[in-house]
Amino acid sequence: NAGVMQNPRHLVRRRGQEARLRCSPMKGHSHVYWYRQLPEEGLKFMVYLQKENIIDESGMPKERFSAEFPKEGPSILRIQQVVRGDSAAYFCASSPGLPPMSYEQYFGPGTRLTVT
Amino acid sequence: KNEVEQSPQNLTAQEGEFITINCSYSVGISALHWLQQHPGGGIVSLFMLSSGKKKHGRLIATINIQEKHSSLHITASHPRDSAVYICAVQGAKGGADGLTFGKGTHLIIQP
Repeated sequence: NAGVMQNPRHLVRRRGQEARLRCSPMKGHSHVYWYRQLPEEGLKFMVYLQKENIIDESGMPKERFSAEFPKEGPSILRIQQVVRGDSAAYFCASSPGLPPMSYEQYFGPGTRLTVT
Repeated sequence: KNEVEQSPQNLTAQEGEFITINCSYSVGISALHWLQQHPGGGIVSLFMLSSGKKKHGRLIATINIQEKHSSLHITASHPRDSAVYICAVQGAKGGADGLTFGKGTHLIIQP
């Protein structure tokens, strides 16, 4: 059973370009969380999605950031017109969403975004 | 909004020592997680607790719900235990809540 997969592992973008980060949850998991870790800072929650639904996006910046988790395929975190301040490690985690394991979150290896 | 405090921020110890990392939070939770992160690396989930105590190998995690406090212990520490240990809490909505993280404890175990 493969773990949570994220790609790419490293992404370099110039200012103003778009960044697309992908997360494939563990098999059988229908809940995905995205977190951001800025340099020298702690992890922060961004968004929580179930298949085809955004449940909580309270941690997402209001502009340029969007997330989706379609019926088929990986969850995508999209950052438009990237700026240097977007440089960070982006982690996704997946959860089965079913009691009693509904609180377990399994983390992916992260995507390290560098904006030049 | 939950505030998660970890102590100490940095800890250097000799191989073989018993290590304790503490975590306190301000608001009631559904679960508490202990995570491990190596420099430049991914995040590994060590424990998820909602009550009592859990043990896995040389690692022990405890939680006191009334006092809003958890501890992570490492027995017979080894240089490979050197990493950042992060406490994270899940709010009262359970799986519907994203995690709130502490700032982490940087642990170095010297041979």
